[in-house]
Amino acid sequence: GEDVEQSLFLSVREGDSSVINCTYTDSSSTYLYWYKQEPGAGLQLLTYIFSNMDMKQDQRLTVLLNKKDKHLSLRIADTQTGDSAIYFCAERVGYGGATNKLIFGTGTLLAVQP
Amino acid sequence: DAGITQSPRHKVTETGTPVTLRCHQTENHRYMYWYRQDPGHGLRLIHYSYGVKDTDKGEVSDGYSVSRSKTEDFLLTLESATSSQTSVYFCACALRESDTQYFGPGTRLTVL
Repeated sequence: GEDVEQSLFLSVREGDSSVINCTYTDSSSTYLYWYKQEPGAGLQLLTYIFSNMDMKQDQRLTVLLNKKDKHLSLRIADTQTGDSAIYFCAERVGYGGATNKLIFGTGTLLAVQP
Repeated sequence: DAGITQSPRHKVTETGTPVTLRCHQTENHRYMYWYRQDPGHGLRLIHYSYGVKDTDKGEVSDGYSVSRSKTEDFLLTLESATSSQTSVYFCACALRESDTQYFGPGTRLTVL
């Protein structure tokens, strides 16, 4: 079945790099996404990667995809206190008549210590 | 963010009462989705719409119904709310089927 797993919690010091990991099970995933959720807010799209790519970099964010191991990671360089939030990994899979179904992980709470 | 708003933002209701949540978008996106967010489960799809009057079930659709009479509005109805439906509900929209989904700010629903 479809499943996306993440570790629940990560604590880092301000200025360090953060690495949030995600594993997924559906090999037919086309896109994989990272969303950020700040307290009391909705989900904000951070970045995404197409399944035929290994890496994508966008300013302080680096996404690595290991398709063989079905492993996705998000690296945040020079982590700031404003990066404290819950980060969700999501994969796009086919589902009946609508192929744009997202399967979300449980979210990783990133706590940045000053 | 596709100009997505949700109303109400917070609601407390009693078991057995009907509840309707509204999602409104201003970008003429064809696809709209309702998710619920619960601890330990991430977000799970309740229902989605692929056009006016075109809707289908997601993975946790029991106890919920939806309607889409206009492109800009997608309504989620709990016919008879239960405590297990206490959750945060998110609406999302996408312009095309293959496009990224953008999320609204969420509605926190508490069923006593």
